[in-house]
Amino acid sequence: DSGVTQTPKHLITATGQRVTLRCSPRSGDLSVYWYQQSLDQGLQFLIQYYNGEERAKGNILERFSAQQFPDLHSELNLSSLELGDSALYFCASSVASTLNEQFFGPGTRLTVL
Amino acid sequence: DQQVKQNSPSLSVQEGRISILNCDYTNSMFDYFLWYKKYPAEGPTFLISISSIKDKNEDGRFTVFLNKSAKHLSLHIVPSQPGDSAVYFCAAKNGGSQGNLIFGKGTKLSVKP
Repeated sequence: DSGVTQTPKHLITATGQRVTLRCSPRSGDLSVYWYQQSLDQGLQFLIQYYNGEERAKGNILERFSAQQFPDLHSELNLSSLELGDSALYFCASSVASTLNEQFFGPGTRLTVL
Repeated sequence: DQQVKQNSPSLSVQEGRISILNCDYTNSMFDYFLWYKKYPAEGPTFLISISSIKDKNEDGRFTVFLNKSAKHLSLHIVPSQPGDSAVYFCAAKNGGSQGNLIFGKGTKLSVKP
């Protein structure tokens, strides 16, 4: 158990809908990262937050947004969903912004029908 | 363009023998490399890492070798055990970035008893 929790574990929804994925980092970790893993792909970095502020952006679509709250949990919002958004979404956390080791949650499997 | 490449999607070895997983990268700015292990329905778990100032790092049965001139790293597992069967991801960090990792697509290792 990495100490990072993600909810829900599975999510099935329809095209055009909006969903919110939630992540609670390890106790004491200030940095949260979101990654997307599509079928047969490696993990693609989406966005990073550090202590409530956005620190880095990767290949995140404009239909996606995220935020980190004062209690350090983070939410990833996905809107106007398309079939291609079906993927595993992982959250990771680390103590500092640039610390190399990241601890991953179990992921949320999103299926868009 | 893939900056981190794992060209072998799968590898099968006999229990007790050596497993060698390979990874190539293209970005000379990468300064830190990590290996993660992933079991089905779980998030990636950190395994071992190496800084670009070193050429070898060892942790128990796991050794990572880095050849900077060839932009190549490898993970050696000796001896391999059935419990090592998982997908192994190579990841790299850009020294100038905030800390997000760039992952390869993974190699599925099967260790047969």
